[in-house]
Amino acid sequence: QSALTQPRSVSGSPGQSVTISCTGTSSDVGGYNYVSWYQQHPGKAPKLMIYDVNERPSGVPYRFSGSKSGNTASLTISGLQAEDEADYYCCSYAGSHTSYVFGTGTKVTVL
Amino acid sequence: EVQLVESGGVVVQPGGSLRLSCAASGFIFDNYAMHWVRQAPGKGLEWVSLITWDGGFIYYADSVKGRFTISRDNGKNSLYLQMNSLRTEDTALYYCAGSTTWTYHFDYWGQGTLVTVSS
Repeated sequence: QSALTQPRSVSGSPGQSVTISCTGTSSDVGGYNYVSWYQQHPGKAPKLMIYDVNERPSGVPYRFSGSKSGNTASLTISGLQAEDEADYYCCSYAGSHTSYVFGTGTKVTVL
Repeated sequence: EVQLVESGGVVVQPGGSLRLSCAASGFIFDNYAMHWVRQAPGKGLEWVSLITWDGGFIYYADSVKGRFTISRDNGKNSLYLQMNSLRTEDTALYYCAGSTTWTYHFDYWGQGTLVTVSS
């Protein structure tokens, strides 16, 4: 199972919006509404930001939102803040045999 | 407060074996499926293995199938990963992570334990 494809990096100024894409196949992203997104600051454990494509866990700011179209999922950060600078990984359920596949990761830089 | 604390990571030679542990607290452990996820130095996340709340279903990534064994002891709120026939490409920070039963994301993560496979 190949990793999901994400852009290596995206950047934006404070207050701007950035969108990270996550492209898979009909066997993972396109086949299930079980895409999740994780934020990882340097030296820290990943943190769940979005689950089931567009659901936000308690405590995650409203500026984080998720969506999906076909085999591509997206994470949008609206009103970018300095503390949003981190690596972001998407993850999709891929069926009981393969189970889970992560994206390649995207570094978000706040200019 | 939810805590997942991994241990057992060391430097081991290729072909060697290692057992990782993950101690859970602050949540009802046997309500959760548990996973191991790894991250090679400077690289991305890779899902390794899953065990359901009762151990009834177990899955592995192809890269570790036949070499790694996941297990859990709900009485001790603990998760384990027995790693055999280790390869240099198994070098990584190994995280344990928890998923509420019948969900498909990782709610809780530990801080990881580093496994280095080197001669």
